[in-house]
Amino acid sequence: NAGVTQTPKFQVLKTGQSMTLQCAQDMNHEYMSWYRQDPGMGLRLIHYSVGAGITDQGEVPNGYNVSRSTTEDFPLRLLSAAPSQTSVYFCASSPAGLGTQYFGPGTRLLVL
Amino acid sequence: ELKVEQNPLFLSMQEGKNYTIYCNYSTTSDRLYWYRQDPGKSLESLFVLLSNGAVKQEGRLMASLDTKARLSTLHITAAVHDLSATYFCAVDWVQGAQKLVFGQGTRLTINP
Repeated sequence: NAGVTQTPKFQVLKTGQSMTLQCAQDMNHEYMSWYRQDPGMGLRLIHYSVGAGITDQGEVPNGYNVSRSTTEDFPLRLLSAAPSQTSVYFCASSPAGLGTQYFGPGTRLLVL
Repeated sequence: ELKVEQNPLFLSMQEGKNYTIYCNYSTTSDRLYWYRQDPGKSLESLFVLLSNGAVKQEGRLMASLDTKARLSTLHITAAVHDLSATYFCAVDWVQGAQKLVFGQGTRLTINP
């Protein structure tokens, strides 16, 4: 199993550009989540999904969209990038219930 | 609003010593997670604590949960250099939904 994969690993954007961060998992996990990690602030939940077709907002959803058309994939869309969205983005998946979350390798995003 | 606070945020210690990292959270929850992150890497699950009084141990690390005090501890016994990392605790924002709120992280440095 590849586990949780994310692409790209690193991206530079200009303010106002849009892009999609890809996340896929091959463990048949129901739950998937997106977090951002900023220095000194730990991780903050952006959006999450408990299954295909079901998504909900986390702590910091503004400026981001998600959709979940399949169990495997959970892309994160930046609609109009801003410098404040410079961060490291982690995708995670977990089985429903009491399981722990498995994190992908992360995407480093720099918005100029 | 659920808040999760760790202390200390930075810890430098010598090999062979014992120390404890504390994780306090502000609202009722009976699910707490501990993760480890090496520099530039993703998060690795260490422990999942699912009930009051839960204690789990893996090697030199032991985690416990007191839901009445809203407190979890991560105890390090006879520290070794390989345990140098940043440690995060996280609590379910909505119980059972795996919407995690993370602490700020404790950066642990173990010196020979």
